[in-house]
Amino acid sequence: EVHLVESGGGLVQPGRSLRLSCAASGFIFGDYAMHWVRQAPGKGLEWVTGINWNSGIIGYVDSVKGRFIISRDNAKNALYLQLNSLTTEDTAFYYCARARDGYNYFDYWGRGTLVTVSS
Amino acid sequence: DIVLTQSPDSLAVSLGERATINCKSSQSISFSSNNRNFLAWYQQKPGQPPKLLISWASTRESGVPDRFSGSGSGTEFTLSISSLQAEDVAVYYCQQYYTSLYTFGQGTKLEI
Repeated sequence: EVHLVESGGGLVQPGRSLRLSCAASGFIFGDYAMHWVRQAPGKGLEWVTGINWNSGIIGYVDSVKGRFIISRDNAKNALYLQLNSLTTEDTAFYYCARARDGYNYFDYWGRGTLVTVSS
Repeated sequence: DIVLTQSPDSLAVSLGERATINCKSSQSISFSSNNRNFLAWYQQKPGQPPKLLISWASTRESGVPDRFSGSGSGTEFTLSISSLQAEDVAVYYCQQYYTSLYTFGQGTKLEI
């Protein structure tokens, strides 16, 4: 059974950094593209960033370019998101999601980790 | 960027009745060569992550009840629930994966 478990969220001051992790199990992690999708409390879904199976293709939404960095370690079945220069606009649940079969719709999601940016 | 606009924003339907949610894209998300529509639908219940219901505009995921169906092509898409059940109360989102800047609709809240 596929499991995705996010960790690393918490309360952080504006301008500071945070690193999120996603532990994957139940599938061959290195075969799949992976993504981060966020959801501000009470709001809709926003795709943040994605990475293909070998880290050769990476994309970001404009609002996080230059501040967030996605990475993966296929040997550890882990996905990461480094969040830098955080602002209050980055407050959200951050979900790790698996892309299906090379196409970037998301067939499995973690339960999310909450990042709160506040002074 | 492709903008997806869902309508309505919220919807109240009686148990056993049909619910219809629309998703309109700012540009075509269909490949003309094979008529594939790069659109997915998700269901999100309170306190839970989204769940994939439908991909390719009309392909239902394994285990999703057949009362859920998707249709449409080009720029206009629809998610239908043929006979609403209490457990269908949720927010529904469409998502396009036609371009590498993946976008979601704003969501439609479905209530009884």
